[in-house]
Amino acid sequence: EVQLVESGGGLVQPGRSLKLSCAASGFTFSDYYMAWVRQAPTKGLEWVASISYDGGSTYYRDSVKGRFTISRDNAKSSLYLQMDSLRSEDTATYYCTTDLGWEPDYWGQGVMVTVSS
Amino acid sequence: DIVMTQSPFSLAVSEGEMVTINCKSSQSLLSSGNQKNYLAWYQQKPGQSPKLLIYYASTRQSGVPDRFIGSGSGTDFTLTISDVQAEDLADYYCLQHYSSPLTFGSGTKLEIK
Repeated sequence: EVQLVESGGGLVQPGRSLKLSCAASGFTFSDYYMAWVRQAPTKGLEWVASISYDGGSTYYRDSVKGRFTISRDNAKSSLYLQMDSLRSEDTATYYCTTDLGWEPDYWGQGVMVTVSS
Repeated sequence: DIVMTQSPFSLAVSEGEMVTINCKSSQSLLSSGNQKNYLAWYQQKPGQSPKLLIYYASTRQSGVPDRFIGSGSGTDFTLTISDVQAEDLADYYCLQHYSSPLTFGSGTKLEIK
């Protein structure tokens, strides 16, 4: 059974850091690009970042560039999102997913990040 | 950045009816290399994670009922749901993955009367 399980979310003050993790199982993790997608409360979907098979290439939306870092550890079948200098507008549910727009399409259940003082 | 303009914002239909959701991109999503449109459709049911329905504008993902039909090319795309079922209650999003940053449409909320 394929599983993507996110962890590391929570309440954090503006300007502080948080690191999200996503543990994958049930498929060959290293065969796929991976991505983080977020969804602010009652809002739509927003792509955050993507990473290539071996982590050699990374891509970010402009609003997180320089603040967020996507990484992966294929030996541990894990995906990460280091989030620094957090802002209130980063408040959202963050989903770990296989590369967008292709099969196979695997998503985690999402993890909530709330940035507030 | 490629802007995805999705319409309508919401719609309400009875079971058995047909619905059409539109998505227009600010640039062509058609690759000259493989003649594929880099446009996907996602479904997000209440309280659930999104799920891919359609990719390459018209290819259904495995297991997706054939009442979900994707069409269009270039900059204009449509998701048609024929014979709507109660289980189709969800938000629907288009996505362009032709170029970075990947961008979603604003979403369409489908309600069942």
